[in-house]
Formats: sequence, structure tokens, C-alpha cells
Amino acid sequence: DSGVTQTPKHLITATGQRVTLRCSPRSGDLSVYWYQQSLDQGLQFLIQYYNGEERAKGNILERFSAQQFPDLHSELNLSSLELGDSALYFCASSSGPTMRDGYTFGSGTRLTVV
Amino acid sequence: AQKITQTQPGMFVQEKEAVTLDCTYDTSDPSYGLFWYKQPSSGEMIFLIYQGSYDQQNATEGRYSLNFQKARKSANLVISASQLGDSAMYFCAMREGGANSKLTFGKGITLSVRP
Repeated sequence: DSGVTQTPKHLITATGQRVTLRCSPRSGDLSVYWYQQSLDQGLQFLIQYYNGEERAKGNILERFSAQQFPDLHSELNLSSLELGDSALYFCASSSGPTMRDGYTFGSGTRLTVV
Repeated sequence: AQKITQTQPGMFVQEKEAVTLDCTYDTSDPSYGLFWYKQPSSGEMIFLIYQGSYDQQNATEGRYSLNFQKARKSANLVISASQLGDSAMYFCAMREGGANSKLTFGKGITLSVRP
């Protein structure tokens, strides 16, 4: 167990629907990062939150949104789902204060849009 | 321009042999960190090794070592004495802009270890 918890592990939903992915960071970690990994693709950075505030934004679609709550858990909301949104979604957390303090990844949520 | 480039489409290695996985990077930030992750077929991301831009020596972690050539902007992963369990996807990643900054990943390399 990495200490980063992602739920659910698997999700199957229909096009046009909305889903929420949840991430609980490792204890003490203030930063949460969301990544999307499509088939045969590397990990695409979506968004980062640090202590409740948005810190950096990547190639996140307007249909996607995220937030980090006071208890530091984060949710990624995906709406108007399309077939191409099928992917493995990772959450990671980091503690700082140096760059050597790398990420800890959760086990991912595998989303299938049918 | 891509920040992290991994061009090897797929690599094969005989069990117990050594293998080098290539990674080149692009940054103008003097302070950066380079990471390698392993992703087996089960999907989880496993941290392998880290190299800081100011580190004087190449990083080593057990059977993993990083051949860091700063002037050439390359950070190749060397796996010694390959094992069947090393068969996986390997990702090179870079962090720039200080702590609590995001990781940027390459597209990955598939490694298959033959018995």
C-alpha cells in the first residue's frame, strides 16, 4: 500500500454521463496531482492542487474539473463523457520540501466509457 | 518541443543480462530532477531511481543505476542482471521549478525479459 488511496478502482459508464474519482493523499502530503494515461500513451498531467488551491494546470479538458478539500482529499469530476475519455486516471501526492521527495502514486482508477 | 524523449519502441533482453533504457530531456531550468518509474502490467507506478541536476555522482539503487550525462541532457536507466519480473513499461520523468512541482513524463519504453 503506497499510502495514496484512489476510489473506485474500476468504473464503467455510458457516454454523456458524469463521474467523480476520489483520491486521498499520503498522510502529511499537501500536493495532489492528477494524471490521465490513455492506451499506449504516457502519463498526461491534468491538474495539481496544493493545500486546497489550484497550483498548476495541464491539458485538462473543460469538461473536467477538480478540487481539493480541507482534509486534503481530492476529487476529479469528469462530465459529458466520451469514448475517448476511457483511460487510467492516476492520483499522486508529494510532500516536498525538496525535488528528491518524489511522487507517491495511487493504484489508479480505470475508467471505461461505453 | 517535448520535455522528455524516449524513442526506443520496445526492448528485449536476455535474463541476467544488463540493459540500458534511453531518455533525453529538455529544460532551461538549472535546477531539475529526473525520475524513472516502472509500470508492470498490473498498472501501478513504481518509483525506481532519482537524479538531481546538481548531484555529482550517478544515482544507484540496487540493480538500477542512472547514467547521467548533463551536457548531453541524457539520463539513461541501466538495469543490471535482468530478471523476468523486470518485464514492464518504463517511464522517464522530469521535475523542474522546485519542490511541489509536477512531473512531466516521457511516452515510455516497453522492456521484455526473455528466459
